[in-house]
Amino acid sequence: DAGITQSPRHKVTETGTPVTLRCHQTENHRYMYWYRQDPGHGLRLIHYSYGVKDTDKGEVSDGYSVSRSKTEDFLLTLESATSSQTSVYFCAISGRDGKSMNTEAFFGQGTRLTVV
Amino acid sequence: QKEVEQDPGPLSVPEGAIVSLNCTYSNSAFQYFMWYRQYSRKGPELLMYTYSSGNKEDGRFTAQVDKSSKYISLFIRDSQPSDSATYLCAMSPLTGGGNKLTFGTGTQLKVEL
Repeated sequence: DAGITQSPRHKVTETGTPVTLRCHQTENHRYMYWYRQDPGHGLRLIHYSYGVKDTDKGEVSDGYSVSRSKTEDFLLTLESATSSQTSVYFCAISGRDGKSMNTEAFFGQGTRLTVV
Repeated sequence: QKEVEQDPGPLSVPEGAIVSLNCTYSNSAFQYFMWYRQYSRKGPELLMYTYSSGNKEDGRFTAQVDKSSKYISLFIRDSQPSDSATYLCAMSPLTGGGNKLTFGTGTQLKVEL
């Protein structure tokens, strides 16, 4: 698992409620990413972080926000969950030892979120 | 048109067969190419990581990149039932800002006894 822990692993929530997913790494990777995986779309980047308090939007960022207050933790928040956000969410890390150029990216085990 | 195209399969082969998985892409800026294996209800697991054109071999797996054709392949020799999974190609441009990957939709492979 390359030292990545996602929590919770499964969650069912109601439309309109806020939801926060957590990604924790123990590998001291510089970059952290949130992706969502949907049938027919593959994995799509939601947000990413290139350091503490440094984040940027990905391809499908609407309705999501992120925060990174420590190197180890990257939080994904759905401000007001909608049924279209039902998906499997994956956290990934790259940039071992603080490297900034392209390095291998490793994924967590995923969080299965259902919005009813 | 998607930046990365991948045949979703499913692809079914007998044990011991050579498997060829492929992706095409349209963005000529892509320089880094990865193959991930994903078992059902698990996270993607990195199999191969290559830079620019050429071949890379690791055990039963060979990754091939042809940038002139914008085409990448993953070959699996002596396929085993344990290779049954979804294979995802991923790629990114050269950047000093991490590795923001663009994925194919994945090819589902089943290796039968």
